[in-house]
Amino acid sequence: EADIYQTPRYLVIGTGKKITLECSQTMGHDKMYWYQQDPGMELHLIHYSYGVNSTEKGDLSSESTVSRIRTEHFPLTLESARPSHTSQYLCASGIPGEKLFFGSGTQLSVL
Amino acid sequence: DQQVKQNSPSLSVQEGRISILNCDYTNSMFDYFLWYKKYPAEGPTFLISISSIKDKNEDGRFTVFLNKSAKHLSLHIVPSQPGDSAVYFCAASARYNFNKFYFGSGTKLNVKP
Repeated sequence: EADIYQTPRYLVIGTGKKITLECSQTMGHDKMYWYQQDPGMELHLIHYSYGVNSTEKGDLSSESTVSRIRTEHFPLTLESARPSHTSQYLCASGIPGEKLFFGSGTQLSVL
Repeated sequence: DQQVKQNSPSLSVQEGRISILNCDYTNSMFDYFLWYKKYPAEGPTFLISISSIKDKNEDGRFTVFLNKSAKHLSLHIVPSQPGDSAVYFCAASARYNFNKFYFGSGTKLNVKP
């Protein structure tokens, strides 16, 4: 049902590297979100966007940044990855008051 | 401060029996609730939702109950199947800020054959 895609699915990198996690959706949703989730913990909202050229930080402080140049694309960038960034990153889009559609997630491991 | 809480990290149920997953919330402004199912290394998939104007919503084997006075909701799965084994998250949002969904920490359900 969901047409939202994340790449890569898995990423193992060394400390200090710059990385970009890709997220694209074909549903035409204005609202897009990035969540971070560690095993056994809740999903934490780290960024969201109301639409093109609109981005906001979420409830959980994150050193990552996002951009929204096109409706369908909402990439997340870490300028200098650290082991503390190891986590699962979930991108979602949705209709306010209805539901979120999630991508398959990116499992990031920083060594 | 966690506004949506799932106090049972895990639940084990025999195939064919009922699974009951619970969720509590603290923000009385929440008026829309959802349940998601998540397999390891995958994103959550939507299961069922309920608005605060209702106290029950059914979809096949899944039923969600909402008790607004207790700020409590539950998901019933009847009958449980081994394929239901996954982590279940409840989520909540409020009319004044539908842009944000707050998630619990999940309950890992294991359905034994």
